[in-house]
Amino acid sequence: AQSVTQLDSQVPVFEEAPVELRCNYSSSVSVYLFWYVQYPNQGLQLLLKYLSGSTLVKGINGFEAEFNKSQTSFHLRKPSVHISDTAEYFCAVSARTGNQFYFGTGTSLTVIP
Amino acid sequence: DTAVSQTPKYLVTQMGNDKSIKCEQNLGHDTMYWYKQDSKKFLKIMFSYNNKELIINETVPNRFSPKSPDKAHLNLHINSLELGDSAVYFCASSLQGRKSYEQYFGPGTRLTVT
Repeated sequence: AQSVTQLDSQVPVFEEAPVELRCNYSSSVSVYLFWYVQYPNQGLQLLLKYLSGSTLVKGINGFEAEFNKSQTSFHLRKPSVHISDTAEYFCAVSARTGNQFYFGTGTSLTVIP
Repeated sequence: DTAVSQTPKYLVTQMGNDKSIKCEQNLGHDTMYWYKQDSKKFLKIMFSYNNKELIINETVPNRFSPKSPDKAHLNLHINSLELGDSAVYFCASSLQGRKSYEQYFGPGTRLTVT
């Protein structure tokens, strides 16, 4: 089975500052990796995904993530955050041969004006 | 166009009642899921159906019963509701057999049991 650890439950950051949300995964097989965002009182929306190829993945709203196989990490970054980025962010992993997602416990990003 | 829709959006009911939540997707996906999100935002998979066949059935009380009349619909029926069932329930769908496996989520149903 797979598992995901999101190391920070809450991340406050000032507007226009850079941010990194950390995600580490555990798996004995090859995986796909995802970041989802959940705005208040809404469902989850896909930010970006890593399937194969380039380890630097660009997503929507200026976010990007880097897959690091040796460190089993998939950290999410944005060089300059906006107030509208305030949301809950979830990292998820699935085995390439499976159909089940394993979600992390989420990181609450709060952007301070 | 709504990709994954759920009804109702809010559901307030008393302990002991039976209720259903409906989910529909118009993406042509063949796999659908139910998740429960608790007050701490933790997402837990409950069930998954592929082409109307149950493929994931996590440790969930027997009071919860999913039903998939066709590939586009997955409903969740809950018997004898308890206070601990209060949560947000999300439906999701995906297309197996493709390389992406990404899941598309509905807006959620906030269930409050009093």
